[in-house]
Amino acid sequence: EVQLVESGGAMVQPGRSLRLSCTISGFTVGDYGVSWFRQPPGKGLEWVGFIRSRPDGETTEFAPAVEGRFSISGDVSTNAAHLQMNNLRLDDTAVYYCIRGGSGWPFDYGGQGTLVTVSS
Amino acid sequence: QAVVTQETSVTVSPGGTVTLTCGSSTGAVSEGHFPYWFQQKPGQAPRTLIRDVRRKYPWTPARFSGSLLGGRAALTLSGAQPDDEADYYCLLSYNGIRDWVFGGGTKVTVL
Repeated sequence: EVQLVESGGAMVQPGRSLRLSCTISGFTVGDYGVSWFRQPPGKGLEWVGFIRSRPDGETTEFAPAVEGRFSISGDVSTNAAHLQMNNLRLDDTAVYYCIRGGSGWPFDYGGQGTLVTVSS
Repeated sequence: QAVVTQETSVTVSPGGTVTLTCGSSTGAVSEGHFPYWFQQKPGQAPRTLIRDVRRKYPWTPARFSGSLLGGRAALTLSGAQPDDEADYYCLLSYNGIRDWVFGGGTKVTVL
């Protein structure tokens, strides 16, 4: 059974960093692409970025709003994908979701989300 | 960055049919945008409903269908049920599947 579980959400101050994890079961990270979406409180969904599968080079793409501040990596030893968020801003406050797919594989299974609050 | 537009809200009667649409600021939506539809019920995570215009997932109820209509992606709900009350989001791909953009979502009320 495919499952993705996000963790690492917290309240942080502007300018600080945070790393979210997407722990995967039912498939191996690197065999599929993994994407991150987010949803600010009371607002709609936003695509954050994705990491391609290992056969596709494990390269990444990001939305303009987070380009240069966020990165995504895959860790085969823990079978997880990580979203590293640097220089966080107030408007990064959102529930962050990971989902399998994004490039080379369709979106299908996603997690339940983890809340990131950026506040001074 | 492209802007993806959806109706803000629609209301459908129980058992009725409603069509939601999804447009792109760059022009007509095509199969090359790999249109997706997500359903999000209150307090829940979004879930995939339709991919690649019209392809369903094993968990997609038969009453949902996808199409291209008048240069827009469309999601049709036939035989609406109270359980279908949710926000529905369209997602389109750009730049050779390097970027994805969500629409603002459509709130569906079954009343």
